[in-house]
Amino acid sequence: ETGVTQSPTHLIKTRGQQVTLRCSSQSGHNTVSWYQQALGQGPQFIFQYYREEENGRGNFPPRFSGLQFPNYSSELNVNALELDDSALYLCASSRTVQSTEAFFGQGTRLTVV
Amino acid sequence: AQTVTQSQPEMSVQEAETVTLSCTYDTSENNYYLFWYKQPPSRQMILVIRQEAYKQQNATENRFSVNFQKAAKSFSLKISDSQLGDTAMYFCAFMKSTDYGGSQGNLIFGKGTKLSVKP
Repeated sequence: ETGVTQSPTHLIKTRGQQVTLRCSSQSGHNTVSWYQQALGQGPQFIFQYYREEENGRGNFPPRFSGLQFPNYSSELNVNALELDDSALYLCASSRTVQSTEAFFGQGTRLTVV
Repeated sequence: AQTVTQSQPEMSVQEAETVTLSCTYDTSENNYYLFWYKQPPSRQMILVIRQEAYKQQNATENRFSVNFQKAAKSFSLKISDSQLGDTAMYFCAFMKSTDYGGSQGNLIFGKGTKLSVKP
């Protein structure tokens, strides 16, 4: 167990809806990164938050947005869901932005129908 | 841009035998880290081993070792004495680093190799 928890573990949404995924980082960690893992693929970087500010973003459209709270937990919001958004969403926390070790949660499996 | 390629979608090995998973990468960076992550059916990514690019010595963690060939941009993982619990997806990953060894960005993953350990 890494101490990183994600909720919910599974959910099903309809195309066009909005979804919020949550991540509780490991105690003492101030950096959270989000990844999207499509079926049969490796994880792809969505964005990173460090001390409540976005600190880097991958090649994802603006309808993917995030937040980090003062306790360093984080949310990933996706608007106007598309079928291709169906994937496993992984959250990873690090002690600080310069840490090379990331601790992953068990992921949220999102299905868009 | 950096890319990571794993050319073996699936592999299998008998329990107690040795298996090697391949990974190649492309980068123009001098300072970086390479990783192998394991993703069992529970879906949680677990760090197996890490290699700093500036270190010539290959990293080792118990039954897991790497063969890091910087000039060839190759980073293979050797699992010795394979166990049933080693059955999982294995991902090779790249991360840029600063001149002082800290992270300078996100992880870039390959597509993974599905390893099955048979009794």
